[in-house]
Amino acid sequence: AQKVTQAQTEISVVEKEDVTLDCVYETRDTTYYLFWYKQPPSGELVFLIRRNSFDEQNEISGRYSWNFQKSTSSFNFTITASQVVDSAVYFCALPFDQGGKLIFGQGTELSVKP
Amino acid sequence: GAGVSQSPRYKVAKRGQDVALRCDPISGHVSLFWYQQALGQGPEFLTYFQNEAQLDKSGLPSDRFFAERPEGSVSTLKIQRTQQEDSAVYLCASSPGGGLYGYTFGSGTRLTVV
Repeated sequence: AQKVTQAQTEISVVEKEDVTLDCVYETRDTTYYLFWYKQPPSGELVFLIRRNSFDEQNEISGRYSWNFQKSTSSFNFTITASQVVDSAVYFCALPFDQGGKLIFGQGTELSVKP
Repeated sequence: GAGVSQSPRYKVAKRGQDVALRCDPISGHVSLFWYQQALGQGPEFLTYFQNEAQLDKSGLPSDRFFAERPEGSVSTLKIQRTQQEDSAVYLCASSPGGGLYGYTFGSGTRLTVV
């Protein structure tokens, strides 16, 4: 069955600290995609990244980086030098099927304090 | 439009009342998804359209929920005889192709049933 687990419910850091958000998944598929979304207080979910299971290279985009490890079924997200504007709820997601409907984790609420 | 637009932004309904939630996707986006997000939870899939065809409605919680997209653009999610457990944020998302490419979400409609 498809399942996404984000064990960290809330994380609080001080600005400029690095922070890693964990995501562990279960899937019946041999090839699949994984996603991260950000939900700021305004409410809309903002797409951050899509990763294909074929590609296990780490990805870096500015202060954001993602570590995908197929062997441990994890797709962790690191924010380097966090900023107050990074405060949001972050969701990891996995497609349920090829139609594109997503299974979301419970989310991790990140609070970055000045 | 530039983004996915949802209206109303907030809706308070008395138990038993019917409500209609509107979603205006990005122009030209073929796929449209509805999700329900309870407080403190990740979004949960409700239904999916490709153009005007409703290809998957497996997530609709009961026959009180009905969605349509008659001309392949604007979609309406209707909830009949609302119950308190229907209180949630209802998110709409659209995608130019299938959902596996990632969606653009709207800001959602927060429904409170009293």
